[in-house]
Amino acid sequence: GENVEQHPSTLSVQEGDSAVIKCTYSDSASNYFPWYKQELGKRPQLIIDIRSNVGEKKDQRIAVTLNKTAKHFSLHITETQPEDSAVYFCAARRYTSYDKVIFGPGTSLSVIP
Amino acid sequence: NAGVTQTPKFQVLKTGQSMTLQCAQDMNHNSMYWYRQDPGMGLRLIYYSASEGTTDKGEVPNGYNVSRLNKREFSLRLESAAPSQTSVYFCASSPRDLQFFGPGTRLTVL
Repeated sequence: GENVEQHPSTLSVQEGDSAVIKCTYSDSASNYFPWYKQELGKRPQLIIDIRSNVGEKKDQRIAVTLNKTAKHFSLHITETQPEDSAVYFCAARRYTSYDKVIFGPGTSLSVIP
Repeated sequence: NAGVTQTPKFQVLKTGQSMTLQCAQDMNHNSMYWYRQDPGMGLRLIYYSASEGTTDKGEVPNGYNVSRLNKREFSLRLESAAPSQTSVYFCASSPRDLQFFGPGTRLTVL
């Protein structure tokens, strides 16, 4: 089955710096890769996603890149702000009739003012 | 729209007790999921339902059962709770790709 690894497990950056979180997946048939942000005590919420027919996607300060050959994808946050502090989860999914999503273990990001 | 709702928000059980966690969505989504979240282990899929009338095991199904009662509702049952099932449980629904999560149920088994 699919296995998703995520690094680093914790990340501290100064406000204004960039943060990068990397994930690898094992199932070459996976074709949808979402990223979720979870603030303390709250539910995970989708922040950006990418499909396998696209190499990069941007949304303001957030971008995701996908390398299908190497089976890895990354989240890039530029000009970090204290409110970016949260746990970030990557996930991978193969769109089949089973509709199953597998999450990475998460990265705890701290943005230091 | 309420989105995805879960009840209860908090629950304390004794070892061996049973209970059912309820989940409902009003977005007409076909797929629904149950996850558990433990510190340092992310979200692990317990069971999912790709459509009304179907359910499948996820990564960690042992000790749980589910029922997809109708398109809106997907319940998770613990028949004989164990301390290892202490966790935060999230329900989610999905129209196809992205998932919408409920607020979670914090369960403690003593």
